[in-house]
Amino acid sequence: GNSVTQMEGPVTLSEEAFLTINCTYTATGYPSLFWYVQYPGEGLQLLLKATKADDKGSNKGFEATYRKETTSFHLEKGSVQVSDSAVYFCALISNDYKLSFGAGTTVTVRA
Amino acid sequence: SAVISQKPSRDICQRGTSLTIQCQVDSQVTMMFWYRQQPGQSLTLIATANQGSEATYESGFVIDKFPISRPNLTFSTLTVSNMSPEDSSIYLCSVVKEGNGYTFGSGTRLTVV
Repeated sequence: GNSVTQMEGPVTLSEEAFLTINCTYTATGYPSLFWYVQYPGEGLQLLLKATKADDKGSNKGFEATYRKETTSFHLEKGSVQVSDSAVYFCALISNDYKLSFGAGTTVTVRA
Repeated sequence: SAVISQKPSRDICQRGTSLTIQCQVDSQVTMMFWYRQQPGQSLTLIATANQGSEATYESGFVIDKFPISRPNLTFSTLTVSNMSPEDSSIYLCSVVKEGNGYTFGSGTRLTVV
């Protein structure tokens, strides 16, 4: 079956630091890959996505590249802000439209 | 993308009672799903809500505990039955609309006391 393995947190950074959250996956077929973000007290929001190999998703300064050879979709941001403090979920969707989520990584950015 | 209205947004319930959560979409959607997010955990798929037929449940979830209705292509309900404190979670409705991908409702934060 499908599964997503995500870097465990929590991660604590200083403002303007570089952020990487690792994500690898196992799936049948050719899944689409997603990063979702959940800010404190809020619902789940789509951050970015990639639907095929070598695609790069980007949004709000975050980027992730769909790497089929390493089955990875690592999330990166070059300079984080306090407002980026949230829980980040890597996810995939395969042919059956069901989303499989990673465990989530809590990121705290300190001023 | 589809706009989802999920109600209630939160509730505190007594153990042994049941709560029905509603999910209303502003347009017809291909697929509707119900997820659960337990405290500090990731999201787990409960079931796929099928229009006009019984829902399809994931391993570990049963119809007697989580009955689901989907009478049409824009509306679904999830009932959490005979609740216990272990059912305290955020319950989320999500939909897939052709060409627009996945959208999540804002969630129902349930506390069972």
